[in-house]
Amino acid sequence: GAGVSQTPSNKVTEKGKYVELRCDPISGHTALYWYRQSLGQGPEFLIYFQGTGAADDSGLPNDRFFAVRPEGSVSTLKIQRTERGDSAVYLCASSARDGGELFFGEGSRLTVL
Amino acid sequence: GENVEQHPSTLSVQEGDSAVIKCTYSDSASNYFPWYKQELGKGPQLIIDIRSNVGEKKDQRIAVTLNKTAKHFSLHITETQPEDSAVYFCAVRTTGFQKLVFGTGTRLLVSP
Repeated sequence: GAGVSQTPSNKVTEKGKYVELRCDPISGHTALYWYRQSLGQGPEFLIYFQGTGAADDSGLPNDRFFAVRPEGSVSTLKIQRTERGDSAVYLCASSARDGGELFFGEGSRLTVL
Repeated sequence: GENVEQHPSTLSVQEGDSAVIKCTYSDSASNYFPWYKQELGKGPQLIIDIRSNVGEKKDQRIAVTLNKTAKHFSLHITETQPEDSAVYFCAVRTTGFQKLVFGTGTRLLVSP
């Protein structure tokens, strides 16, 4: 595709459930980032992949959050035992190289009831 | 870690006026300073960026200035248009890290 694609665009779940959010980066982009944006706030860094490996996962809030990128392209953010405080827009971005421009997707809005 | 403050949180101007948004940062090792525009329901979009070896950069109606000594940088939009209305975020990247640390955003409203 022409840009970063994220699915689903909206996800409503119940407290305690498991969710997966998918990111399809721009073709050929080796760097991939996940950010979380709460209402009225700036995006907050979660994790950065260079290729298949998580080069920096310092932003993951706790061990309920996990992300993978097994083939160096599509990435999945996984959240276990969701809590109401996890409600936010989860943004994915990709870049052609380290230090390059980040291109963001439109985000996945997660609502935990 | 890096701390980024952004002001003002909201800014209302008349069409044709200029708008200025300011950000300060804490880590002197920061070396990359992008500005993003975010429209409702969309992801942030890069509008201009500056690196630490440059003091000013301009692209048509948009300019960014950087004062490394004072650790602040500013976005300047001239001849504002209604389509400039959006939320603007500054961000900072520190040497040795790939992540961006974002400010809290400025909601710009340009009235016709």
